[in-house]
Amino acid sequence: AQSVTQPDIHITVSEGASLELRCNYSYGATPYLFWYVQSPGQGLQLLLKYFSGDTLVQGIKGFEAEFKRSQSSFNLRKPSVHWSDAAEYFCAVVLMNYGGSQGNLIFGKGTKLSVKP
Amino acid sequence: EPEVTQTPSHQVTQMGQEVILRCVPISNHLYFYWYRQILGQKVEFLVSFYNNEISEKSEIFDDQFSVERPDGSNFTLKIRSTKLEDSAMYFCASSGAPNTEAFFGQGTRLTVV
Repeated sequence: AQSVTQPDIHITVSEGASLELRCNYSYGATPYLFWYVQSPGQGLQLLLKYFSGDTLVQGIKGFEAEFKRSQSSFNLRKPSVHWSDAAEYFCAVVLMNYGGSQGNLIFGKGTKLSVKP
Repeated sequence: EPEVTQTPSHQVTQMGQEVILRCVPISNHLYFYWYRQILGQKVEFLVSFYNNEISEKSEIFDDQFSVERPDGSNFTLKIRSTKLEDSAMYFCASSGAPNTEAFFGQGTRLTVV
């Protein structure tokens, strides 16, 4: 079955430190990959996406993610975390659908990020 | 910037009552979705909708649930007879094309008492 795994439920980093949030997926085919962020009481905002091409993608708010097919991973990184980055981060995949039908987002369980001053 | 809007932001209902959650997708989008997030759990797919019919639904989306696009702008989720376990945040989303990112509303928190 299709699945997305975010192994870290909660991560705490100091402000200014680097960040890496892990995401692994299990698919037979090439997925489309996304990272969303959810601030408290807010909806889901797209940070970045990967469809094809360069495996290192840049997103908003200084985030980037790298697709590694050999590891079935799409880890999210940021070189220097800001206090406003405290939120919950969700990795999601859409299985590529050549038939043109809708592909639905499958989410990981999320990683909650806390930032220490 | 266009956005998906959901109303109400919070709905409290008694068990067994019907609720309708409303969404206005981004105006030129054609694909619509409902997701839910039970407190402390992951975001789960409920249903997708295209061309005035359901494209796909999850096992969560049983006969108690229905969706409708009653006019050119609204997209609704109806729960016919709510149960305690329906308490969750419900997110509406829309996308302009298949297999692309979905844009999410801010959610409706449904509390069934």
